Amino acid sequence: AQTVTQSQPEMSVQEAETVTLSCTYDTSESNYYLFWYKQPPSRQMILVIRQEAYKQQNATENRFSVNFQKAAKSFSLKISDSQLGDTAMYFCAFNRGAQKLVFGQGTRLTINP
Amino acid sequence: NAGVTQTPKFRVLKTGQSMTLLCAQDMNHEYMYWYRQDPGMGLRLIHYSVGEGTTAKGEVPDGYNVSRLKKQNFLLGLESAAPSQTSVYFCASSSRQVKAFFGQGTRLTVV
Repeated sequence: AQTVTQSQPEMSVQEAETVTLSCTYDTSESNYYLFWYKQPPSRQMILVIRQEAYKQQNATENRFSVNFQKAAKSFSLKISDSQLGDTAMYFCAFNRGAQKLVFGQGTRLTINP
Repeated sequence: NAGVTQTPKFRVLKTGQSMTLLCAQDMNHEYMYWYRQDPGMGLRLIHYSVGEGTTAKGEVPDGYNVSRLKKQNFLLGLESAAPSQTSVYFCASSSRQVKAFFGQGTRLTVV
């Protein structure tokens, strides 16, 4: 089965705190990419960060970083110094052949002032 | 740069009516996709295309048809709309370099 599981339907933290969103996946692909997408209330899908599965080094993009554990098929997203603008739905995904994306159910993150 | 443009952004249909959603991309991407987003289920792939004139089924294709007559356009059709097709529909395009670009979504309500 090709699946993505996000076990935290909702999370809430205070502004400036660090928050970690969990994601596990199952794929039979040998070479793939993993993604975190952000969907704010505007509904736009915004790519936050991308990880190539064959790279051991964890990807980082400014305040966003991942903890990629390939053997465990785990791909968590850490947001440091959280900001009000980080409030959104976050989706974990990986790609299959022809770049088709398989998404998790999403985590609704709220950053409180 | 427009990126990926979906038309329309909102639509209300009566059960049994038909409609076509249009997706246009200006990035010369080979791959195009239609996803639907339902509460608590993330995005699921309906149909996709790996090039002009080709289409293939995704995870949830029943009740939908697609066409890609031109490389830049990917049409999603509902021949006889059902309430179960109430959803938000996203079009996306991608090159072989993996990064996908999404349209702004179409909220469809079938009553």
